[in-house]
Amino acid sequence: AQKITQTQPGMFVQEKEAVTLDCTYDTSDQSYGLFWYKQPSSGEMIFLIYQGSYDEQNATEGRYSLNFQKARKSTNLVISASQLGDSAMYFCAMREFGYNQGGKLIFGQGTELSVKP
Amino acid sequence: NAGVTQTPKFRVLKTGQSMTLLCAQDMNHEYMYWYRQDPGMGLRLIHYSVGEGTTAKGEVPDGYNVSRLKKQNFLLGLESAAPSQTSVYFCASSADTYNEQFFGPGTRLTVL
Repeated sequence: AQKITQTQPGMFVQEKEAVTLDCTYDTSDQSYGLFWYKQPSSGEMIFLIYQGSYDEQNATEGRYSLNFQKARKSTNLVISASQLGDSAMYFCAMREFGYNQGGKLIFGQGTELSVKP
Repeated sequence: NAGVTQTPKFRVLKTGQSMTLLCAQDMNHEYMYWYRQDPGMGLRLIHYSVGEGTTAKGEVPDGYNVSRLKKQNFLLGLESAAPSQTSVYFCASSADTYNEQFFGPGTRLTVL
């Protein structure tokens, strides 16, 4: 069964430093996508970055990058040069591309990141 | 371009009451989803739709019904609300099954 695991309930990082948020996943499908969403205290879900299972390069999007290790089934989010506005809950999620999957997202439990000034 | 909107933003119900949550998207997306978020947990899928007139069950469908009569709207109904349905409800839509889902702002529902 598909499963997403985020083992860090909470993380602290000093402003301007880099931080890595861990995510492992379990799937028997060969074709899937991995997503990271940010949820600030205001509650909305903001899409950050995407990695496809067949992508050979690690995804990058501004200060966000993914450390994708397919064999280990992990996709860790790296935020460089942390800013106070990065304080939020971060969710890792997976979409399986198989027929009849409906494109639904499976979410992890989230990691709450706090950036210290 | 409003994206995904949800109505209402907040609601308090008494046990046994019914209500309907409305989700609307203006991006012409085929796929729409209803999730619930409980404290300390990620989002869990309630129901979803792969196109106008279609619906399917997700991970936690009990106590909810949905309808997709128009492509742009996806309604979530609670026929007889229970305290266990106290949660934040998110609607999402996507153009396909590969790219990101776009989320609405959420509805905070409390059932007393």
